[in-house]
Amino acid sequence: DGGITQSPKYLFRKEGQNVTLSCEQNLNHDAMYWYRQDPGQGLRLIYYSQIVNDFQKGDIAEGYSVSREKKESFPLTVTSAQKNPTAFYLCASSIFEGGGNQPQHFGDGTRLSIL
Amino acid sequence: KNQVEQSPQSLIILEGKNCTLQCNYTVSPFSNLRWYKQDTGRGPVSLTIMTFSENTKSNGRYTATLDADTKQSSLHITASQLSDSASYICVVSVSNSGYALNFGKGTSLLVTP
Repeated sequence: DGGITQSPKYLFRKEGQNVTLSCEQNLNHDAMYWYRQDPGQGLRLIYYSQIVNDFQKGDIAEGYSVSREKKESFPLTVTSAQKNPTAFYLCASSIFEGGGNQPQHFGDGTRLSIL
Repeated sequence: KNQVEQSPQSLIILEGKNCTLQCNYTVSPFSNLRWYKQDTGRGPVSLTIMTFSENTKSNGRYTATLDADTKQSSLHITASQLSDSASYICVVSVSNSGYALNFGKGTSLLVTP
């Protein structure tokens, strides 16, 4: 079945440590996205990528980094510069179409907590 | 300021009853409006997507309406089931900017036996 796989489902980070969240899709989608979800808030865009080897900052990119070396993969690194990393992280993908009419398909998320 | 406001924040209904969730937005220029269902600890799943020219769309027991003039949308759930317990998120996108999605905070629905 086609879909988006995020791993791990739960992740713990120590102070000063970088951690990387995995996102893989086999939907042949060009565009991929990372969102952060906090309790009582709407999803906020961290980074997005429309094609391989290209990505753009979203609304809350500080303290995060990404890479897009393959179409299928869009890993997110939460660096030690992100002072409040505890959140639910969602990866999504879509057919890239400038009108924005294509739905985004989401993975099942990674919950990151600070030890 | 959030450009997509949802109400109510939470809702409890009895199994078998109907309910309606509301979404008001100020996003402009409008491209489309989507409703997603998010189960606890899972990613959102798309229910409906409507463009400017559509004012109603159904997906099984879910029916979404859109009034682009008043910038309001509703999601009506008919004959609710326990599995409908979830958060329902309204998402509005801007024209010609596929990545620029504006998310509401969601309505948390609990269906009780």
